[in-house]
Amino acid sequence: DAGVIQSPRHEVTEMGQEVTLRCKPISGHNSLFWYRQTMMRGLELLIYFNNNVPIDDSGMPEDRFSAKMPNASFSTLKIQPSEPRDSAVYFCASSFQGDSNQPQHFGDGTRLSIL
Amino acid sequence: SQKIEQNSEALNIQEGKTATLTCNYTNYSPAYLQWYRQDPGRGPVFLLLIRENEKEKRKERLKVTFDTTLKQSLFHITASQPADSATYLCALAESSASKIIFGSGTRLSIRP
Repeated sequence: DAGVIQSPRHEVTEMGQEVTLRCKPISGHNSLFWYRQTMMRGLELLIYFNNNVPIDDSGMPEDRFSAKMPNASFSTLKIQPSEPRDSAVYFCASSFQGDSNQPQHFGDGTRLSIL
Repeated sequence: SQKIEQNSEALNIQEGKTATLTCNYTNYSPAYLQWYRQDPGRGPVFLLLIRENEKEKRKERLKVTFDTTLKQSLFHITASQPADSATYLCALAESSASKIIFGSGTRLSIRP
């Protein structure tokens, strides 16, 4: 079975540019999560969706970040304009029902470097 | 303030021994606690979940305990192997509807 698929795996861009990260969740999962991982702050939840609807975006750092889930099989996380402090590994995860008693299935992440 | 603390230093264990990783929490009342494994360049992979009313959970060579009095979970790998070398993350949630909060992880190295 295909797991969570993220693209691109690596992204290097100059500050001020728009960055779009993509995620395809596991088929049949109805909850999707975006995380950011850094050495300093560990794994932080940015936003999560349930049945394509954003439920909690309190972890989104600022208005430069936005996320969409137009359908059950696709989500994007956009940063515009990007800044060097946005450099991190961004993970997408999906689960069935989104309850915290359900395991989350992670993609292999997008390593983002903003120069 | 709320904190989740895992072994701050990396853990180095001789192959065949039992590795024990610690997850301590402060100012949380978790209903669930999960453990994940993360390899370099990969996303975390779910291993085990334990509920607040469960003292212990086992899966093959893995064992997790949950002590709500000590506010601590222990993660054990028995008969450790070099392939068990990875970073292990604990994560907790205060209810099925609340979000999961991750600890910073413990890097485990098993030497042959």
